[in-house]
Amino acid sequence: AQSVTQPDIHITVSEGASLELRCNYSYGATPYLFWYVQSPGQGLQLLLKYFSGDTLVQGIKGFEAEFKRSQSSFNLRKPSVHWSDAAEYFCAVGARGSNYKLTFGKGTLLTVNP
Amino acid sequence: DSGVTQTPKHLITATGQRVTLRCSPRSGDLSVYWYQQSLDQGLQFLIQYYNGEERAKGNILERFSAQQFPDLHSELNLSSLELGDSALYFCASSQEFPGPGVVGANVLTFGAGSRLTVL
Repeated sequence: AQSVTQPDIHITVSEGASLELRCNYSYGATPYLFWYVQSPGQGLQLLLKYFSGDTLVQGIKGFEAEFKRSQSSFNLRKPSVHWSDAAEYFCAVGARGSNYKLTFGKGTLLTVNP
Repeated sequence: DSGVTQTPKHLITATGQRVTLRCSPRSGDLSVYWYQQSLDQGLQFLIQYYNGEERAKGNILERFSAQQFPDLHSELNLSSLELGDSALYFCASSQEFPGPGVVGANVLTFGAGSRLTVL
């Protein structure tokens, strides 16, 4: 069974600073990987996804993530954080095959200081 | 607006009661997924339907049941409610069921959720 670990429950950064949110997954093969963002009172919005190919993927709102097979990681990055990026971020893994579902990490809450 | 509609947005009820949460998927999406989000468990997959048929089951309690109707909307029924059932319930939809031979993965589009409070 697949699993996802987001080691950081809460991260605080200053506006304009760079950001990296960590995600480690456990899965027996190459997984499908996703980052979603949840703003207060909102549903989950897809930021980016990795299926295959180029291991550096670009997403919306200036986010990118890099798949590193050797480290079983899919960390999310942004070079300069904006106050509107304050939200909770979820990493998810999807298993390839017929019994498809997304397994989510516990999330990382991002606070942005002015 | 994601295109996935969930009703009601908020629901307050008492222990022992039964509620129904409704989800309308995005136009053209055949798969519907239900997730429960709570502070202690995080986002937990409950169940998935594809074109009216149950396809995958997760950590869904026996007190909970779901179905997908011919018009593709789905309902999640929660009965004999307990305090611990208080949570945010999300519905998501996707275009395809990734069965054998389907190369791509599904991208799930989530609704805004239904917040259930059990008193």
